[in-house]
Amino acid sequence: EAGVAQSPRYKIIEKRQSVAFWCNPISGHATLYWYQQILGQGPKLLIQFQNNGVVDDSQLPKDRFSAERLKGVDSTLKIQPAKLEDSAVYLCASSLERGSYTFGSGTRLTVV
Amino acid sequence: GQQVMQIPQYQHVQEGEDFTTYCNSSTTLSNIQWYKQRPGGHPVFLIQLVKSGEVKKQKRLTFQFGEAKKNSSLHITATQTTDVGTYFCAGQYGKLTFGQGTILTVHP
Repeated sequence: EAGVAQSPRYKIIEKRQSVAFWCNPISGHATLYWYQQILGQGPKLLIQFQNNGVVDDSQLPKDRFSAERLKGVDSTLKIQPAKLEDSAVYLCASSLERGSYTFGSGTRLTVV
Repeated sequence: GQQVMQIPQYQHVQEGEDFTTYCNSSTTLSNIQWYKQRPGGHPVFLIQLVKSGEVKKQKRLTFQFGEAKKNSSLHITATQTTDVGTYFCAGQYGKLTFGQGTILTVHP
């Protein structure tokens, strides 16, 4: 089966600029997640979607981060404006209910 | 909130030595999952443990889930250079929470 697709792979932006990431999950996976992984740390959940509804966004910095999953398939994560501390790898994952997570290759964001 | 602690943070071994990483949760978990992340890569699912006291094996890897479903371990027998990477446990109680990982390096 095709994996989780993410783009772009790399992005360098200046602080206060905006950036958007895209994710296309595995076909049939109703649940989609966005994780932030700072270098040397484990992935931290930002937001979880079930179909096109938000299940958990308790750790999403809502003053600057937003995410949507229109039509319950692909998703976008946006940061506006970016801060230096947002430099990280942004991982998208999808799963069946209570199943294992399949991660995409991630987007490495560098904010300068 | 739920916390998952993992030790050690780093482990350097000679090829052929054994390796163990431990995971502890602040809350009782519905299941625990283990992932491996190669340098520059993304986390890849290894296994899921659901039952209290469960033990599962995958070739040289042995995974255990504690009786109280709050701790887990991963043991690799006779490490190989292909085992290098970061091993994460992830505990599920509602959402999946990752530990900080154990970075394994294997010297040939």
